[in-house]
Amino acid sequence: EAAVTQSPRSKVAVTGGKVTLSCHQTNNHDYMYWYRQDTGHGLRLIHYSYVADSTEKGDIPDGYKASRPSQENFSLILELASLSQTAVYFCASSVKNNQDTQYFGPGTRLLVL
Amino acid sequence: SQWGEENLQALSIQEGEDVTMNCSYKTYTTVVHWYRQDSGRGPALIILIRSNEREKRSGRLRATLDTSSQSSSLSITAAQCEDTAVYFCATDHDSGYNKLTFGKGTVLLVSP
Repeated sequence: EAAVTQSPRSKVAVTGGKVTLSCHQTNNHDYMYWYRQDTGHGLRLIHYSYVADSTEKGDIPDGYKASRPSQENFSLILELASLSQTAVYFCASSVKNNQDTQYFGPGTRLLVL
Repeated sequence: SQWGEENLQALSIQEGEDVTMNCSYKTYTTVVHWYRQDSGRGPALIILIRSNEREKRSGRLRATLDTSSQSSSLSITAAQCEDTAVYFCATDHDSGYNKLTFGKGTVLLVSP
C-alpha cells in the first residue's frame, strides 16, 4: 500500500508568520504534488516536483514556495501567511509514468488568524 | 456536472438505488480519473478511464468517457451507505508530469 504522510495534521498560524508543511512518501515515487482544498471546492495544484532538488509551479503558486530536498520529502512553505491561505493542504505522489494514480496524504488543516 | 462555474453538487439517495454523476471538462485530456474522498481524509482513486476506452467497470462502479463531448460519468449500482463520500473527476492534460485538474466534486449521501 502506497504511503504518504503529512505533518502537522493541523496548524494555527498568525497572519504574516512563516508556515512550513511537510510531506513524506515511502512509495519510491518520482513525482510529488501539493494541492489546496477550500470548503466546497475541488483540489487545486500549487507546486509539483518530478525530481529531487527541483520544483515547478502549478496552477496557483502565488504566495507559496516548495522544496524537494530528497525523493521522499516535499515541503510547502508560506513565507508570509495570509488569511486567504486558510485551507486544507494535500500532498500526493505518483510514479513517473504519465496518467497514473496519485496517492494522497491525509491532509493538513491550516487556519490563519 | 462538476465543471465550470457550478457549485459543489449534492445527491441524496436511498440504499439500493443506482446513481450517476457527471463530469464535463474544458480541454483535451487523455485520461479521466475518478477519486473518492471520505470525510477528513485525502482523495483515493476508484477508477481511471483512458481516451481509448468508452467504458470501464470495477465492481459496482462504471465509468464512461465521451471525448467528442468532453464528458465523463461515474455510475454506482445498488449504492450502499458506505458509498457516502465526495466524488471528484480529474483530468490529465498530457503535461508529461501527471498533473491533474480536479472538478468541484459531487457529494453523495446514501441513506438506509
